[in-house]
Amino acid sequence: QKEVEQNSGPLSVPEGAIASLNCTYSDRGSQSFFWYRQYSGKSPELIMSIYSNGDKEDGRFTAQLNKASQYVSLLIRDSQPSDSATYLCAVNPNDMRFGAGTRLTVKP
Amino acid sequence: KAGVTQTPRYLIKTRGQQVTLSCSPISGHRSVSWYQQTPGQGLQFLFEYFSETQRNKGNFPGRFSGRQFSNSRSEMNVSTLELGDSALYLCASSESGYEQYFGPGTRLTVT
Repeated sequence: QKEVEQNSGPLSVPEGAIASLNCTYSDRGSQSFFWYRQYSGKSPELIMSIYSNGDKEDGRFTAQLNKASQYVSLLIRDSQPSDSATYLCAVNPNDMRFGAGTRLTVKP
Repeated sequence: KAGVTQTPRYLIKTRGQQVTLSCSPISGHRSVSWYQQTPGQGLQFLFEYFSETQRNKGNFPGRFSGRQFSNSRSEMNVSTLELGDSALYLCASSESGYEQYFGPGTRLTVT
């Protein structure tokens, strides 16, 4: 079992729809969770961090954390073509562990 | 604030050589982490330095080493390069080690 697993992509949604990205992790001691966006040929960019169970909203992005289920998700509302990228889930029990990423395509 | 800078941006080396990569973190950040990114393995953690001390180390051979200077700048060294070391090497800086901000990376090609 991989330490951080993300739903296999690619994920394609129409413009204006909600994109849902999911991630599970194996280390129950993890306390910090992050979502990064990586455009092709670029380095990862931090878009959300979450530390407590529940939802955290930032603009069109909502991160959801459920430590009991070892599950973290990212919702992107009103998806735009500019959201097309690979989204990386990262978990930090001691050092940062990344999932393989989910490639999202938003079609106009 | 200026972002994380990495030099050089591109590098071509021959098997058996060694290479040193440099990273300058965001001003005020004392934590610097290094990652290797390849299409097959994704983003893998190499090591983290905080205030000149290695705080964490990933599962890489001893050919990979690093250090951090008193101004928080960090260097990563890879000795006896192998073809499999071809990758994008990313440096990330953080105030505490949690929310990390990546530099543009160094693309290393080993021939």
